[in-house]
Amino acid sequence: DTAVSQTPKYLVTQMGNDKSIKCEQNLGHDTMYWYKQDSKKFLKIMFSYNNKELIINETVPNRFSPKSPDKAHLNLHINSLELGDSAVYFCASSQGLAGGPWNEQFFGPGTRLTVL
Amino acid sequence: AQSVAQPEDQVNVAEGNPLTVKCTYSVSGNPYLFWYVQYPNRGLQFLLKYITGDNLVKGSYGFEAEFNKSQTSFHLKKPSALVSDSALYFCAVIRAGNNRKLIWGLGTSLAVNP
Repeated sequence: DTAVSQTPKYLVTQMGNDKSIKCEQNLGHDTMYWYKQDSKKFLKIMFSYNNKELIINETVPNRFSPKSPDKAHLNLHINSLELGDSAVYFCASSQGLAGGPWNEQFFGPGTRLTVL
Repeated sequence: AQSVAQPEDQVNVAEGNPLTVKCTYSVSGNPYLFWYVQYPNRGLQFLLKYITGDNLVKGSYGFEAEFNKSQTSFHLKKPSALVSDSALYFCAVIRAGNNRKLIWGLGTSLAVNP
């Protein structure tokens, strides 16, 4: 059983296109995250949702829009893709907030986005 | 402001030797500290964490870390390195009471040579 899954695993697209990445967790966690990892492996938090409520919204272009239809799913939609959006995007989940901030995060396998 | 520093971009160690990956932090108040590992082309995996209590924390795969409040450090250690330990290691901190987000280090690449 995959705890945190993401689709697609690879995404190759042209500049200017719109694309979505989907994330699902079957751990029963109430908090989910999107991270961006660039080519230097730096990890940057983008968004976090707790029980479908946006709680972290870092300085991210508004071309990126997260959506959480329920607490097991967190999707990321990207409009007007740019070359600089090329990166690996990780979804993660944790029993955060209600369970305490000391709970570890569980990461998905990542989506490698390449913008041509 | 909260911050985490991993002063070494890369650590090289021979198989069988002890390894240390360094992490220092800066937070106001009591910290919660974490180590994660990322194997090539994989997502991050949780290794261990310090919340409170014993300063020596044991985690997965034989790793341990020591919380040192006076030196504001949380170095990751293993007595005998394996080639399979070669990976990218991230330290992270969250301040007790701030349940919003982890502050991540920039990562340290560990290479264990056979």
